[in-house]
Amino acid sequence: DADVTQTPRNRITKTGKRIMLECSQTKGHDRMYWYRQDPGLGLQLIYYSFDVKDINKGEISDGYSVSRQAQAKFSLSLESAIPNQTALYFCATSDGWAGELFFGEGSRLTVL
Amino acid sequence: GQQLNQSPQSMFIQEGEDVSMNCTSSSIFNTWLWYKQDPGEGPVLLIALYKAGELTSNGRLTAQFGITRKDSFLNISASIPSDVGIYFCAAWGIQGAQKLVFGQGTRLTINP
Repeated sequence: DADVTQTPRNRITKTGKRIMLECSQTKGHDRMYWYRQDPGLGLQLIYYSFDVKDINKGEISDGYSVSRQAQAKFSLSLESAIPNQTALYFCATSDGWAGELFFGEGSRLTVL
Repeated sequence: GQQLNQSPQSMFIQEGEDVSMNCTSSSIFNTWLWYKQDPGEGPVLLIALYKAGELTSNGRLTAQFGITRKDSFLNISASIPSDVGIYFCAAWGIQGAQKLVFGQGTRLTINP
C-alpha cells in the first residue's frame, strides 16, 4: 500500500459543485501539503499544515479550503468548483523542513 | 517571490544519449532536490543536495548544487527508455524556508 494515499484518483464534476479531495498518510509525518499541477507550470502550493492546529495558505489558495482532521489526514475542498480548477492535485508529506517531500499518486479533477 | 527557472522545457533524444537540464534563480537556496514524475504517478525524489558546490551521483544520474546557491543541474548519462518522464527541480529557500519551490519541469522523450 502507498504511504500517501489520495482519493478519488479521478473525478469529473460540474461547475458550482462542492468537491473534496482526501489524503491520508502512514509515514507518521507532521507536515502535509496540497499542490496543484498544470502543464508547463510545475507544482504550485495551495495549502500546507505543520500539525493538526496549524494551517497555512500557499501561493494559490483562493477558491480552496483545507481541513487537517488528524495527523494522518489532510483534505482539500473546492466549495464551488470552476473550470479553471481543472488540474492534477497532489498531496505530500514531509518530516521537518528542508527535506524530502513524499507525494501521493495524484487526483485528477475535471470541472465541466 | 522565489522562482525557479528550469530549462529546457522539453527534450527529444535518442536512446543512449546523455541529458543535461538545469535550474536557475535570482534567490539563494539552502537545499536543492531533483524529482522525476512518471505518467500517472506523483513525483519521486532522485537526488538531494544540501551544500553549495556539492556534486552527488545516483547511478547514471549526477546533480550539482551551484556554488552561488542560485542554481543546480542534473545530468543523465546513457539514457534508456525508462528515463522518460518529467523532471522537476525544487528548492528550499532561506526566506519562507517552510515551502518547497518547484521549477516548471523538463519533459524527456526518448526515441528508441
